[in-house]
Amino acid sequence: AQSVTQLGSHVSVSEGALVLLRCNYSSSVPPYLFWYVQYPNQGLQLLLKYTSAATLVKGINGFEAEFKKSETSFHLTKPSAHMSDAAEYFCAKNAGNMLTFGGGTRLMVKP
Amino acid sequence: DTGVSQDPRHKITKRGQNVTFRCDPISEHNRLYWYRQTLGQGPEFLTYFQNEAQLEKSRLLSDRFSAERPKGSFSTLEIQRTEQGDSAMYLCASSSPSRLKETQYFGPGTRLLVL
Repeated sequence: AQSVTQLGSHVSVSEGALVLLRCNYSSSVPPYLFWYVQYPNQGLQLLLKYTSAATLVKGINGFEAEFKKSETSFHLTKPSAHMSDAAEYFCAKNAGNMLTFGGGTRLMVKP
Repeated sequence: DTGVSQDPRHKITKRGQNVTFRCDPISEHNRLYWYRQTLGQGPEFLTYFQNEAQLEKSRLLSDRFSAERPKGSFSTLEIQRTEQGDSAMYLCASSSPSRLKETQYFGPGTRLLVL
């Protein structure tokens, strides 16, 4: 069973528009959740993480995510998209000693 | 501040050949992880070391795969008798345990193409 689900494998927005990338998780215990970004032919860069301290988490490059236990969600948002935000985004859950990743969402930003 | 490094960045090999990849973690990190990422998918966990001890292996890690971390610093991942299905990006990550759940920091990956 998939424990991290990202709805929408591709998302396209116009430059300056709101970015919303969806992530839902399943977990029997309070999870630690992460968002990573991957640019072409590169490794993963941490955007932000949720570690149960605060439900609204701010990350780098203007991104933030809100942990909603009732909805088992951890959606990633950014108020205004830049061309440089075009990349693949991965939501992940810390499951013991490993990360379990969603399938990824490719964000495209139109000029 | 040196991040996680991986070598080589790209490898093309013929089916049946052996390949070896190297990962150098962030120097103070005692945990090291290997993941595999196929095209259009998220990374999948392969194995994990704490210092030199390999503590966990995924069922994805067939007997053709072996990973080592002999001195608790760098790690190698070897694939014997490569198959076309082994073509993927192999990612290494490292972390250091702390009071908070540790964050894994990833290297740039080694992209393997098996012809």
